[in-house]
Amino acid sequence: GESVGLHLPTLSVQEGDNSIINCAYSNSASDYFIWYKQESGKGPQFIIDIRSNMDKRQGQRVTVLLNKTVKHLSLQIAATQPGDSAVYFCAEAGTSYDKVIFGPGTSLSVIP
Amino acid sequence: KAGVTQTPRYLIKTRGQQVTLSCSPISGHRSVSWYQQTPGQGLQFLFEYFSETQRNKGNFPGRFSGRQFSNSRSEMNVSTLELGDSALYLCASSFGTRQETQYFGPGTRLLVL
Repeated sequence: GESVGLHLPTLSVQEGDNSIINCAYSNSASDYFIWYKQESGKGPQFIIDIRSNMDKRQGQRVTVLLNKTVKHLSLQIAATQPGDSAVYFCAEAGTSYDKVIFGPGTSLSVIP
Repeated sequence: KAGVTQTPRYLIKTRGQQVTLSCSPISGHRSVSWYQQTPGQGLQFLFEYFSETQRNKGNFPGRFSGRQFSNSRSEMNVSTLELGDSALYLCASSFGTRQETQYFGPGTRLLVL
């Protein structure tokens, strides 16, 4: 039969605006969370990570927020640029070294 | 330092054939994980090898197998290929001793006809 493809959430933002990409994770025991960026034709590229004992972490132009109460993760990109256009994945891993589980991804499109 | 490399980059096979994909991790990394990426299922974990031993395994049939060599290079094999095996196969490496960032290769695009 015909398979149903994943419907990737899409976010369109104007160049220079801030972007917020959200992610709901599944396992309350997950201890480590990562955001990856995947451009067309390339493998996922690490952006930023955060451990469960933190609720916020900042990088260059990016901030990750973790809300363990509602199992929610967000990635904020400041002053979004055309080069930020990509699919963004959140990922989670357990307390021991465990397999990394990826979310379905969000497609970010930056309008020049 | 060179990144993760995967060979071949593109591959076309027919149903019933088998295929072997190769991954060379970043120098010093001992953990190699394999993922399958499709539009329908997204990024799915296949297995992870650390020091030549399979340490974690995803929910894939036994047709999917892998191994790791003493130099940490890894191969994955898919036997009796099916149309649904068409995907981008990604390899990621890390030091593997604790929770760490995985660094991905560019992937091998497999098309099964």
